[in-house]
Amino acid sequence: DAGVIQSPRHEVTEMGQEVTLRCKPISGHDYLFWYRQTMMRGLELLIYFNNNVPIDDSGMPEDRFSAKMPNASFSTLKIQPSEPRDSAVYFCASSFRGRNQPQHFGDGTRLSIL
Amino acid sequence: EDKVVQSPLSLVVHEGDTVTLNCSYEVTNFRSLLWYKQEKKAPTFLFMLTSSGIEKKSGRLSSILDKKELSSILNITATQTGDSAIYLCAVMGNAGNMLTFGGGTRLMVKP
Repeated sequence: DAGVIQSPRHEVTEMGQEVTLRCKPISGHDYLFWYRQTMMRGLELLIYFNNNVPIDDSGMPEDRFSAKMPNASFSTLKIQPSEPRDSAVYFCASSFRGRNQPQHFGDGTRLSIL
Repeated sequence: EDKVVQSPLSLVVHEGDTVTLNCSYEVTNFRSLLWYKQEKKAPTFLFMLTSSGIEKKSGRLSSILDKKELSSILNITATQTGDSAIYLCAVMGNAGNMLTFGGGTRLMVKP
């Protein structure tokens, strides 16, 4: 079975540019999560969706960050304009509905803002 | 705010050693505690614990939850170099299937 698929795997861009990260969750999963991982702050939840609807975006650092989930099989995380402090590994995860379902992670996008 | 603290921060052992990793938590309306292993890429799911005192086991790895002490341990026996990774503990509380992660324990197993 295909796992969570993220693209691109690596992104290097200059500050001020728009960055779009993509995620395809596991088929049939109702929850989708976006995380950011850095050495300093570890793994932080940015936003999560249930049935394509954003439920909690309190972890989104600033208005420069936005996320969408237009359908059950696709989500994007956009940063505009990007800044060097946004450099991190961004993970997408999904889980099945129901109580106590584990999240399954994609391989992440390593983002470097110069 | 939910909080998860892991110890030690890092650990270096030799192959064949047994290690114990610790996780303590504060969470509103605890539902479950999860352990993940992260090598170079994605965290991969190891265990989910919901009931106190019941050990989950998979090969050389085992984990147990103590709800009274608000903690969990992950044991790895007869360690191998392939066990080298960051081990992450996370708790699920009230909201959806949202997880709060600890900072992780970095384990290095030397040959």
